[in-house]
Amino acid sequence: AQSVTQPDIHITVSEGASLELRCNYSYGATPYLFWYVQSPGQGLQLLLKYFSGDTLVQGIKGFEAEFKRSQSSFNLRKPSVHWSDAAEYFCAVGARAGTGANNLFFGTGTRLTVIP
Amino acid sequence: KAGVTQTPRYLIKTRGQQVTLSCSPISGHRSVSWYQQTPGQGLQFLFEYFSETQRNKGNFPGRFSGRQFSNSRSEMNVSTLELGDSALYLCASSLEGEQFFGPGTRLTVL
Repeated sequence: AQSVTQPDIHITVSEGASLELRCNYSYGATPYLFWYVQSPGQGLQLLLKYFSGDTLVQGIKGFEAEFKRSQSSFNLRKPSVHWSDAAEYFCAVGARAGTGANNLFFGTGTRLTVIP
Repeated sequence: KAGVTQTPRYLIKTRGQQVTLSCSPISGHRSVSWYQQTPGQGLQFLFEYFSETQRNKGNFPGRFSGRQFSNSRSEMNVSTLELGDSALYLCASSLEGEQFFGPGTRLTVL
């Protein structure tokens, strides 16, 4: 069965500090992997995605993520957090294009608080 | 290109009523998916439409239904509303495996 685990419900970091949000997944085949960010009352904005190729992917707003097949992980990182990064972050997995399945499975989210 | 738009943004209904939500995908996108987001259950997949046909369906009761029109716009309908249907309903249009989300419709059932 497909599932996504984000073990950290809430993380607090100081502005300027580094950040790592964890994501582990269970999926029958090599999935597409995504990180989304959601500000209060808003929809989801795509930060980055992994489809294939280089396992270290760069996204918007200075975020990056590394796909580790052996660990079934896709952790999100940022070297220096800004106050505007405070939001909820969701990891998601989905089937590869052309499989006829287009639904995403989401983790429960990690709420990021940034303190000055 | 304009993003995914959803109308209305906010909706208040009472138990037993029905509601229809609308989603306009990004131009050229033929797939539209719907998700329900609640504090307790998180983000859950409702269904996906592609070329006017339901292609995938999540684990929701039959009170939740949808359709897609020839211009790819989609609607979802919830009949006989229950308090537990209060949620943010998100629509996403997709192209080649990447999904783009709209701002959502906040439904409150009283």
